[in-house]
Amino acid sequence: GQSLEQPSEVTAVEGAIVQINCTYQTSGFYGLSWYQQHDGGAPTFLSYNALDGLEETGRFSSFLSRSDSYGYLLLQELQMKDSASYFCAPGTGANNLFFGTGTRLTVIP
Amino acid sequence: GAVVSQHPSWVICKSGTSVKIECRSLDFQATTMFWYRQFPKQSLMLMATSNEGSKATYEQGVEKDKFLINHASLTLSTLTVTSAHPEDSSFYICSATALTSGNTNRVFGPGTRLTVL
Repeated sequence: GQSLEQPSEVTAVEGAIVQINCTYQTSGFYGLSWYQQHDGGAPTFLSYNALDGLEETGRFSSFLSRSDSYGYLLLQELQMKDSASYFCAPGTGANNLFFGTGTRLTVIP
Repeated sequence: GAVVSQHPSWVICKSGTSVKIECRSLDFQATTMFWYRQFPKQSLMLMATSNEGSKATYEQGVEKDKFLINHASLTLSTLTVTSAHPEDSSFYICSATALTSGNTNRVFGPGTRLTVL
């Protein structure tokens, strides 16, 4: 079967750094994507790791270790607008993405 | 960048009626579109994969006769919720894969919030 683990909730202070971990188990694996979703909105693409290592996109970075079936999203210089749900989504083949329940990030002043 | 639109953005209907949701890729062609359903504070659950010119592939547990999917063109897929009931009230989101700047990205539509009374 397929499974995915992320923390359900994280709270961090504005300006701080937060790391959201993701461990997954899928029948096929075609890279790990991260999406941000604000309440009432659609998911927006943040980052994608096809290979092991770190991908950096502005304040956001994502890491993947395929051998450990593990990845994380790192958010730096947190801003209030970063309060949202964050989903890691392993690609499971045939263009499919498997979404977990997401991590709800609350940024406090 | 690549944009996916959905219409309507929200709809309220009576129990037993049918509702059609449109998903369009605005500036790219999408041979494959995906339909998701999301209940409050839960994950996106893939309902079906819509392929242009062929029958959709439904996920286990999703009734294909209740959720009718048509992908008649490379830019349009529709989801029709037939004989809707209150338990069908949810946030329906479509997505497509777009090739932008040499990378393949999954683009999501803004979603359609369905409320069945």
